[in-house]
Amino acid sequence: TQLLEQSPQFLSIQEGENLTVYCNSSSVFSSLQWYRQEPGEGPVLLVTVVTGGEVKKLKRLTFQFGDARKDSSLHITAAQPGDTGLYLCAGGGAGSYQLTFGKGTKLSVIP
Amino acid sequence: NAGVTQTPKFRILKIGQSMTLQCTQDMNHNYMYWYRQDPGMGLKLIYYSVGAGITDKGEVPNGYNVSRSTTEDFPLRLELAAPSQTSVYFCASSYTTSGRHYEQYFGPGTRLTVT
Repeated sequence: TQLLEQSPQFLSIQEGENLTVYCNSSSVFSSLQWYRQEPGEGPVLLVTVVTGGEVKKLKRLTFQFGDARKDSSLHITAAQPGDTGLYLCAGGGAGSYQLTFGKGTKLSVIP
Repeated sequence: NAGVTQTPKFRILKIGQSMTLQCTQDMNHNYMYWYRQDPGMGLKLIYYSVGAGITDKGEVPNGYNVSRSTTEDFPLRLELAAPSQTSVYFCASSYTTSGRHYEQYFGPGTRLTVT
């Protein structure tokens, strides 16, 4: 069974601070996706990384896939209240249409 | 495009009652999924479908049933509601990218309480 561990589980920071959240596994994934979920809404896809060592930037968000494709990180620069939400990572196997989801990191950015 | 739509948004059921959670997507995706989300537990896959007429069990299928008569619709049926089925239910659909990576699109969810 493939598992994804996310840390920290909760994070509360002041507006303007930087933060990193992590997604780790003992299994290799062919792709790693990050979703953000706001209260009362469904998860929304932010990015997909597929190559070991790959780095993708989405404005103030930087996503990295580990060289061995077992882990990933999400770094947010100068966090804003609009970044508040639950961040979920999800791993996909080669050719698999199913995803393994982590339990999420709940981020609160205080104005 | 409306994307993935779910109805109802909220529902309260009594123990033993039945209901159907509706899910529709207008993106012509072949793959559809039902998840439940409990606090601190992430998303658990209940059932999935790879196309019209084809469904299969996920990680937590007990107490649920599905059907897929069309590409667009994937309803989830609860036959005898139990308090353990109190949860938020999400429907999702996906397509395969050129690299064969399946990116999922989620509906807004149905919050179900069984008392």
